[in-house]
Amino acid sequence: SYELTQPVSVSVALGQTATITCGGSNLGTKYVHWYQQQPGQAPLLVIYRDSDRPSGIPERFSASNSGTTATLTISRAQAGDEADYYCQVLDNYIWVFGGGTKLTVL
Amino acid sequence: QVQLQESGPGLVKPSETLALICSVSGDSISNDNYYWAWVRQPPGKGLQWIGSKSYSGNTYYNPTLKSRLTASIDTSKSQFSLRLASVTAADTAVYFCARQTNGNNYGSYWNFDLWGRGTLVTVSS
Repeated sequence: SYELTQPVSVSVALGQTATITCGGSNLGTKYVHWYQQQPGQAPLLVIYRDSDRPSGIPERFSASNSGTTATLTISRAQAGDEADYYCQVLDNYIWVFGGGTKLTVL
Repeated sequence: QVQLQESGPGLVKPSETLALICSVSGDSISNDNYYWAWVRQPPGKGLQWIGSKSYSGNTYYNPTLKSRLTASIDTSKSQFSLRLASVTAADTAVYFCARQTNGNNYGSYWNFDLWGRGTLVTVSS
């Protein structure tokens, strides 16, 4: 079965840039979506189709996907960005999530 | 404004069947642009896709759960539901319902674009 690998945790200083990676075999051939989950809340789609932002998501959120790694970048990190982030892909009509990355804003 | 709301038993005994309902408001559940999905999250752990279903009947299940799953849609009530049989403690989780864009349509990519708030289901005797 297809697997996505994310770092368990990432830390970023307030106002700096956070980078969260998602690894998988031939990941660049798949569309990657990213979700933010605040504690006790439902996930929120922040990036779809590798790098597109849904309406209402700040431009500070950007992403890319190439080769075996997809990357979510959060610029000018704010305290409100502290959350769990999950990448997600489709593989043979099985929807797969990464294990999630806890972003801490220091 | 489209909203999803899960409802469920809260507590289920081992070996019994878990039944969940998701009520959709603000949009037609018959909208061909979407599938209707279930995702769960065990306490302190990550997200796991359970299954997805379109109003026209196309259904996809997580292979690890498929033998125990039944998903259905009731268009008259604007609800979709999930039944998971023979539950064990490993099925204890927050269960989310979600709207999923229909990747068979041009410009859609199978992402989950709207979620319910989730409902905690505990399996215990």
